[in-house]
Amino acid sequence: SQTIHQWPATLVQPVGSPLSLECTVEGTSNPNLYWYRQAAGRGLQLLFYSVGIGQISSEVPQNLSASRPQDRQFILSSKKLLLSDSGFYLCAWSRGTGETQYFGPGTRLLVL
Amino acid sequence: AQKITQTQPGMFVQEKEAVTLDCTYDTSDPSYGLFWYKQPSSGEMIFLIYQGSYDQQNATEGRYSLNFQKARKSANLVISASQLGDSAMYFCAMREGRRSGNTPLVFGKGTRLSVIA
Repeated sequence: SQTIHQWPATLVQPVGSPLSLECTVEGTSNPNLYWYRQAAGRGLQLLFYSVGIGQISSEVPQNLSASRPQDRQFILSSKKLLLSDSGFYLCAWSRGTGETQYFGPGTRLLVL
Repeated sequence: AQKITQTQPGMFVQEKEAVTLDCTYDTSDPSYGLFWYKQPSSGEMIFLIYQGSYDQQNATEGRYSLNFQKARKSANLVISASQLGDSAMYFCAMREGRRSGNTPLVFGKGTRLSVIA
């Protein structure tokens, strides 16, 4: 069966510091991968998605970037965090872009 | 225009009663898919049920069923015999085009369901 991992679970970072969130998927190959952000009590905002290694589509221009160095690894980064980067970050995978997405446990990021 | 609209920001239901969460969608593509997810307070998004635009029957999964009304462009989630553990945020989502296409899912803003004992 497939599982998706995210870490860390919680992160408190100062403004201006760098960020690296990691997501890995097990039990499947060549998945589509997604990064979402969710502000408190709000809906999901798609940030990036990837259909293969090195292929990243950005949905919203911002302070963040994504990379896919390996087939089942998806990394969300920032060089300098802003207060507005605080939120709940969810990683998801699917077999194809239009298929059901399965989500990881998420990372709660608080930028102070 | 919003692709997915969930008009109920919050809903209350008595334990053991049924509840309907509304979702309307907007697309001109004849091929599309509709999804419902549950997000408990832990934050994880849990896939509940899927309905394809060409599916003849309404989808059902245990206590969850999807009331799919194509002409009205609505895909309401019905939860029967509500349980306290059903208290969560519920998100409706849509895929436009075929499953093999390249368009990611679009999510609604969600409905918070609270089940009362």
